[in-house]
Order: sequence, then C-alpha cells, then structure tokens
Amino acid sequence: SQKIEQNSEALNIQEGKTATLTCNYTNYSPAYLQWYRQDPGRGPVFLLLIRENEKEKRKERLKVTFDTTLKQSLFHITASQPADSATYLCALRGSARQLTFGSGTQLTVLP
Amino acid sequence: DGGITQSPKYLFRKEGQNVTLSCEQNLNHDAMYWYRQDPGQGLRLIYYSQIVNDFQKGDIAEGYSVSREKKESFPLTVTSAQKNPTAFYLCASSIVQTGSTTSYEQYFGPGTRLTVT
Repeated sequence: SQKIEQNSEALNIQEGKTATLTCNYTNYSPAYLQWYRQDPGRGPVFLLLIRENEKEKRKERLKVTFDTTLKQSLFHITASQPADSATYLCALRGSARQLTFGSGTQLTVLP
Repeated sequence: DGGITQSPKYLFRKEGQNVTLSCEQNLNHDAMYWYRQDPGQGLRLIYYSQIVNDFQKGDIAEGYSVSREKKESFPLTVTSAQKNPTAFYLCASSIVQTGSTTSYEQYFGPGTRLTVT
C-alpha cells in the first residue's frame, strides 16, 4: 500500500541552526512533492513544490531536495528562528490524483 | 481579500445529530476538498469536487455527505452515521489538477473544530 512517513514526530533545534526534516514514501511514483507549514489550530499553508526532474528547490531560507531513487525528500530551514516553530507536512499526489499528506513533523526552534 | 472561509471555528453537537460545516472561497478555484485531521495524524481526504454539481469520495467518506451547487461553496454534512465525528475539519481549494504531471498548491481555510458528545 502507499505510505508517506515523516520520520520524526518532533524535532527541537537551537536558534540559528539548520533544521532538516525528512519525508519518505513507498509505492508512489510521484511527479512532484509539496511541503506545507501548519500552525496550531490553523490550516496548512503551502511552502514549496518540487518536481521529479528537479533535484533541489530554494525559497529564501528554505531548501527542498527530492531523490526519486531513495524515495525521499529533505526539507531544510537554514538560520532557523523561533518563528519557524510549527508542524511541517509533506504531500504527494497519489494514484487517485489527489494529495496524500504525511502526519507531519513538529519543529520547535529554541531561543 | 481572496481566500477560504470556514464557519464556525468551534462547533459542539450531541451524538445522533447531523451537523453541516460551511466552506466558501472567492479564489475562483474549480476544485474544492474536505479533510479531517486527528491529533498526531495527517490530513485524510473525505470528499472532493472538481466542478459544480459533481463530487467524489475520498479515503474516508463514510458518514459524510457534501453538495456543490455553486462554485464558491462546498458544505460538508457530518451525519449521525459517522462513528467518530470529533475532529478538526479543513476545507481547501485549488486549480483543477489536469494530467499526471501537473500540480497546484491547495489553499486551506482556518478549519472547524467539531466536538460531539
């Protein structure tokens, strides 16, 4: 069956460090992968999309990589700030052509 | 301002009652979606619609119903048949996905937290 795993439920890092979040998937052949940010009690907000033919995508302090051989995406936040604290979700388009979301990684950036 | 609105933010109902959650968008998106989120879990798709007067079941449609009479509106009814209705419900919209290699981000509303006792 198709599965998306974000390998840690919670990640704590010190302010200024780089946060790295992982999204692994099985039994998908995604043409692309999306990352969203979700704050407590609110709806997710789209951050980045990366296509299968793109190895890396950047947006300000955010960087996403996509390795279709490893079936993995890495999401990096450089120079992290307490305001980056949130839950980050990865999402893939599955066989039904609709997005399937991972359960998320809760990131806490400590001042 | 363009966006998606959901109302109410909090909703309380007694077991056995049907309840309807509102979702409205002014983004001119054709596609709309309903998700359910439980603590520690990802979003699970309940229903989606890509055009007015048409909708499809998602992964967990049992105990739910929807309608799409207008492009802007996609209300969700949680029926008494839904065994565990207490959850955080999220509505989203997007441009219609066409083909296997297209993808558009989804825009989410603020959510409705439903508690059934």
